[in-house]
Amino acid sequence: QVQLQESGPGLVKPSETLSLTCTVSGGSINSYYWSWIRQPPGKGLEWIGYIYSNGNTGYNPSLSSRVTILIDTSKNHFYLKLSSVTAADTAVYYCARIGGCSGGSCSINAVNYWGQGTLVTVSS
Amino acid sequence: EIVLTQSPGTLSLSPGERATLSCRASQSVSRNYLAWYQQKPGQAPRLLIYDASSRATGIPDRFSGSGSGTDFTLTISRLEPEDSAVYHCQQYGSSLTFGGGTKVEIK
Repeated sequence: QVQLQESGPGLVKPSETLSLTCTVSGGSINSYYWSWIRQPPGKGLEWIGYIYSNGNTGYNPSLSSRVTILIDTSKNHFYLKLSSVTAADTAVYYCARIGGCSGGSCSINAVNYWGQGTLVTVSS
Repeated sequence: EIVLTQSPGTLSLSPGERATLSCRASQSVSRNYLAWYQQKPGQAPRLLIYDASSRATGIPDRFSGSGSGTDFTLTISRLEPEDSAVYHCQQYGSSLTFGGGTKVEIK
C-alpha cells in the first residue's frame, strides 16, 4: 500500500521560502504523477502543482511564479518550494499521487493517495 | 481555468434522509473527469467518486455520482451519522481545480 508523508518546518517567516519534502513508501515513485495540494484553515482545497517522475512539471497559474517542485527518484522523495511567502500561504499542505503512465498511456486521475498533511504557518 | 461552484454551502439533514450535492463547472469538464471527496476534521480528503460516477474501492453504495458536461451531482441515498463531513468536487480534465466544498451536518 502506497503511503506518503510530508515533512518540513511548521513555521516560516514572511518573505522567506517554504520548503517541504514528501516521502513515498510502499511503492515506486517512478512512472507516476505527484502533486502538492494545500488547504488554508477553514477553507477549500487548492492545487499547487505536479511533477512526473521524469521531472516534467505543471503548476497552478496563480502560484507558478513562486513555485518549484522537484523530484529525487533515488530517494523516493519529491519536494515543494514556495518563495516569498505571506500570511495567505498559511495552510495544511498535502502531498498526493495523481496519476501515472502504463503501457505508453499517461493520465492524471482523481487523487487516491494522500499524505496526512502538515500545517505550515507563515508568521514573524 | 475551470471554476467549480458547489452548492449548497451547508446541508443539514436527519439520518436516513437523502442528500443531494451540486457541483457546477464554468466550462465543460473534459471526459467527465470529475471526482468527489469526503473530508472529516483533521483528516486528509478521501476519494468517493471518480470519472463522475464510478465509486472508489470500499465506498458504500449509498454514495453515487452523476452528471456530465458542466453539471454534476453527488447523492447520499440514506444519510448515516458518520457521513457528517465536508464534500469537495474536483475536475482533472483540464489541469486540476477544486470546488469550495459543501458541509453536510447530521441533525
